[in-house]
Amino acid sequence: EVVLTQSPGTLSLSPGERATLSCRASQSVGSNYLAWFQRKPGQAPRLLIYGASTRATGIPDRFSGSGSGTDFTLTISRLEPDDFAVYFCQQYGPSLLFTFGQGTKLEIK
Amino acid sequence: QEQLVESGGGVVQPGRSLRLSCATSGFTFNTYGMHWVRQAPGKGLEWVAAISYIGNGNNKYYADSVKGRFTISRDNSKNTLFLQMNSLRAEDTALYYCARDLGYCTTTSCHDLGGWFDPWGQGTLVSVSS
Repeated sequence: EVVLTQSPGTLSLSPGERATLSCRASQSVGSNYLAWFQRKPGQAPRLLIYGASTRATGIPDRFSGSGSGTDFTLTISRLEPDDFAVYFCQQYGPSLLFTFGQGTKLEIK
Repeated sequence: QEQLVESGGGVVQPGRSLRLSCATSGFTFNTYGMHWVRQAPGKGLEWVAAISYIGNGNNKYYADSVKGRFTISRDNSKNTLFLQMNSLRAEDTALYYCARDLGYCTTTSCHDLGGWFDPWGQGTLVSVSS
């Protein structure tokens, strides 16, 4: 089983700043089968990135994903008030072994 | 608008059963694989079960933690996904989400399970307590 470890656990930043979130896998994620989601209380998780770097439909270009193998990053270039939420990564793929990171809470400083 | 709405959660005693539903709309339900995912209090997300649309929904997959106790099923005529949960334990207490699998394709074939999840529902809360 691939274990996904996200860091930091909590990130305190101000609107306008750049956020860098990390997701590290215990073994290589094949074909970059890695997705990022945003979750707010009482709302459905929202897909941001799939295939490690492809933005989902309707996601602003201030969100970007990068990485391969075992190290992946979600970057939010200029934080807006609506971006403060919990972000989690997910591994998917043909193995049908779906695992999730424990999440990074992005809070207003 | 593609939408998933879970229902059926509640408080139940250990050893009892509960059936969750996920009503879908805005997309052709019978052409997608579907999942249940849960999050226990203070813990990360855990994949629970998946069901293919292929083979009349007979292709089903489960996490080891629920195998033999939970059953995933679907009613394509009602665009609804289900999770029958039997022999419930305290550790099954969680917020349960349903999600659609977007599938993936290789150079030779396409598969309805194994892709990224989108969209998700808002979740339904299950609490197992005496």
